[in-house]
Amino acid sequence: TQLLEQSPQFLSIQEGENLTVYCNSSSVFSSLQWYRQEPGEGPVLLVTVVTGGEVKKLKRLTFQFGDARKDSSLHITAAQPGDTGLYLCAGDSGGSNYKLTFGKGTLLTVNP
Amino acid sequence: NAGVMQNPRHLVRRRGQEARLRCSPMKGHSHVYWYRQLPEEGLKFMVYLQKENIIDESGMPKERFSAEFPKEGPSILRIQQVVRGDSAAYFCASSPQGWKTQYFGPGTRLLVL
Repeated sequence: TQLLEQSPQFLSIQEGENLTVYCNSSSVFSSLQWYRQEPGEGPVLLVTVVTGGEVKKLKRLTFQFGDARKDSSLHITAAQPGDTGLYLCAGDSGGSNYKLTFGKGTLLTVNP
Repeated sequence: NAGVMQNPRHLVRRRGQEARLRCSPMKGHSHVYWYRQLPEEGLKFMVYLQKENIIDESGMPKERFSAEFPKEGPSILRIQQVVRGDSAAYFCASSPQGWKTQYFGPGTRLLVL
């Protein structure tokens, strides 16, 4: 069974600070997706990474996929209260079945 | 382009009743996935469907749960004789054929009394 462990589980920071959250596994994933989920809503896709070592930037968010495709990180620069939410990573194991394995998420709170 | 739509957003059932959850994928998407999110747990895969076919139902309980994605109309997740443990948020996601990226709907929150 493939597992994704996310850390930290909870993170509370002040506006303007930088942060990094992690997504780790002992298994190799064909691709990894990051989502943000707000209370009462569905996960909203942030990025998909598919190549080992890949780095993608989305405004103040930087995503990295590990060289071995077993781990990923999300770095946020100058966090804002609007970044508050549950950050989820999810991976697929490849082949023609794209079902996702999710981590439990990092709950980020950015205080003004 | 409308996103993935799910209805109802909230559903209350008494034990023993049936629950029907509907999912309309994004336009042009032929693959549908259902996931369940229990309190304090992550999202868990339930079933993967393409039009008129169940591709993978390995995450779905063998009893009381069924899913379909007909040629016309939305995908349906059906739970018969609901029990309190079925209370959860159920999310549907869709993707175009050959794409790994999945787009999620807002979910249906099922409460079993």
